[in-house]
Amino acid sequence: DIQMTQSSSYLSVSLGGRVTITCKASDHINNWLAWYQQKPGNAPRLLISGATSLETGVPSRFSGSGSGKDYTLSITSLQTEDVATYYCQQYWSTPYTFGGGTKLEIK
Amino acid sequence: VQLQQSGAELVKPGASVKLSCKASGYTFTEYTIHWVKQRSGQGLEWIGWFYPGSGSIKYNEKFKDKATLTADKSSSTVYMELSRLTSEDSAVYFCARHGRPYDYDKAWFAYWGQGTLVTVSA
Repeated sequence: DIQMTQSSSYLSVSLGGRVTITCKASDHINNWLAWYQQKPGNAPRLLISGATSLETGVPSRFSGSGSGKDYTLSITSLQTEDVATYYCQQYWSTPYTFGGGTKLEIK
Repeated sequence: VQLQQSGAELVKPGASVKLSCKASGYTFTEYTIHWVKQRSGQGLEWIGWFYPGSGSIKYNEKFKDKATLTADKSSSTVYMELSRLTSEDSAVYFCARHGRPYDYDKAWFAYWGQGTLVTVSA
């Protein structure tokens, strides 16, 4: 199984600031990576697929990058509604696996 | 697109429970439906998928003796039965749809149900 590691389980960022969330796969996943946002009591929401493709309706302050084993989700101009937990997911091979999550809070 | 899941369940250890996920707003037979487990305060685990177009199924090996996926095309509903329940099965279970039609593989999840809370307790 491919293990997905999000090195930061918690991040605190100032309103209007920029944050980068990292995700490392235990094997190459060839950009088959998605990012999700989850708020308490809600289902995850797809933000990005294919490592870099922004889902329709997702604000342009979100962006994804990376290749090989290493991927990042960046959020600029942080808003209060961005407070959530963010998960990466590899879909290169089954079983599909998720990172442990990064909880983002406003400083 | 909507995925409407059944309500919360309180079940006894050793029992089974069957969860449902009713799809609407798209052609049911064109997309795989997946199930994902989330224990309280923890991460997400992929359980498996069901493809209504062919009846094909794939399980995460970890769940192959725990979960059974079925579907009813007439009602556009996918079911997941969990057997021999223990406290480790207490979790929220989500159904989710593949982002691309006619594809068994390389699944990302563009649409999710609201989740069903399963609590295993005597």
